[in-house]
Amino acid sequence: GAGVSQSPSNKVTEKGKDVELRCDPISGHTALYWYRQRLGQGLEFLIYFQGNSAPDKSGLPSDRFSAERTGESVSTLTIQRTQQEDSAVYLCASSLARASYNEQFFGPGTRLTVL
Amino acid sequence: AQSVTQPDIHITVSEGASLELRCNYSYGATPYLFWYVQSPGQGLQLLLKYFSGDTLVQGIKGFEAEFKRSQSSFNLRKPSVHWSDAAEYFCAVGPTGGGNKLTFGTGTQLKVEL
Repeated sequence: GAGVSQSPSNKVTEKGKDVELRCDPISGHTALYWYRQRLGQGLEFLIYFQGNSAPDKSGLPSDRFSAERTGESVSTLTIQRTQQEDSAVYLCASSLARASYNEQFFGPGTRLTVL
Repeated sequence: AQSVTQPDIHITVSEGASLELRCNYSYGATPYLFWYVQSPGQGLQLLLKYFSGDTLVQGIKGFEAEFKRSQSSFNLRKPSVHWSDAAEYFCAVGPTGGGNKLTFGTGTQLKVEL
């Protein structure tokens, strides 16, 4: 079956602009995660969705970052008033359920460059 | 708070040589442990995971890892590296008491010389 897909694969934007990144999880996966990967660094957890529960937003670095998910399908990560330090690869992952022992399947990522 | 250390940023090995990538973690109990591989332009792929039981776990692509509680380590090994193994490798820990957040190390970039 299809894996996790993300769009766009690359995004170049000017400082101060808003961007939207999209994630399509694997069908049937109730859990969805967003991570940020800065150059030369590991993945930073941003936000997590599980079904209709309130999302865990504890990893969002500032109020310029927000994310939505409609039911158990598509999610969008929005970054408002982008800054150069937002340049990174944004990875989305999905898993069958909440607990960390459930394998997270990752998408190919969106490379964001803020000029 | 849980943390993961991968002390080697870059490693170069010759094709056919053995490989060991180091991973040390900090956690109050025995965590769930994972190794992921990221090839250029690809998402992360799970190589193997440890939850409990046998401390030597086998994964895909001929990789294995050994959990050593006394050393808080979960090193990844492969007896004979192939050129296609060149990629970035990430160790991660997850909480055992429920919850979902994986904490990743900074990664080790593996280069394979032919």
